[in-house]
Amino acid sequence: GPKVLQIPSHQIIDMGQMVTLNCDPVSNHLYFYWYKQILGQQMEFLVNFYNGKVMEKSKLFKDQFSVERPDGSYFTLKIQPTALEDSAVYFCASSPRDWGYEQYFGPGTRLTVL
Amino acid sequence: SQLAEENLWALSVHEGESVTVNCSYKTSITALQWYRQKSGEGPAQLILIRSNEREKRNGRLRATLDTSSQSSSLSITATRCEDTAVYFCATPGGSNAKLTFGKGTKLSVKS
Repeated sequence: GPKVLQIPSHQIIDMGQMVTLNCDPVSNHLYFYWYKQILGQQMEFLVNFYNGKVMEKSKLFKDQFSVERPDGSYFTLKIQPTALEDSAVYFCASSPRDWGYEQYFGPGTRLTVL
Repeated sequence: SQLAEENLWALSVHEGESVTVNCSYKTSITALQWYRQKSGEGPAQLILIRSNEREKRNGRLRATLDTSSQSSSLSITATRCEDTAVYFCATPGGSNAKLTFGKGTKLSVKS
């Protein structure tokens, strides 16, 4: 089936540094999402993105977070600067349309902030 | 507060047995989705059931929805070891397809 790819699978950085998480969504999908999952806890919505714009973001999407998808390439989540509490697995998802359609998830990027 | 949550943290069955995972939610919904997440992978949708549906099947999977009690169930028949995973229910929130997940039920299928 359709696959969402995420690069890298693991990232370890020092607190205060910048990190960019990359997502290669399903090619004909229009909606893109980032979710955050701390070990042992439920997955939580961060942000969704459509037509070059953030449509909705949660309280977890701090000012240090930004997303973009320049020229239809990777859909990226940038955190600058990182904090210890940003350590988590970040999942990217895409869907052909909005609610009512399946969201396809990538395998996640495990981010460790030291 | 959680919009959707599963009722059990963990379940263990033997291969070939049937198992049911339950979920309750707190708001009126247009649909509910069941996802499965295997270790080291992202979630994969199993079934989407709409508010006007009472039951939906997908192979060995059967989902039910009771809007009066705001609950849903996912049953798996003839379980296999590869069904070992965490099962989540998810409901929409907001107008742009934000999914709210429960904490998940960890299912272990033993041979």
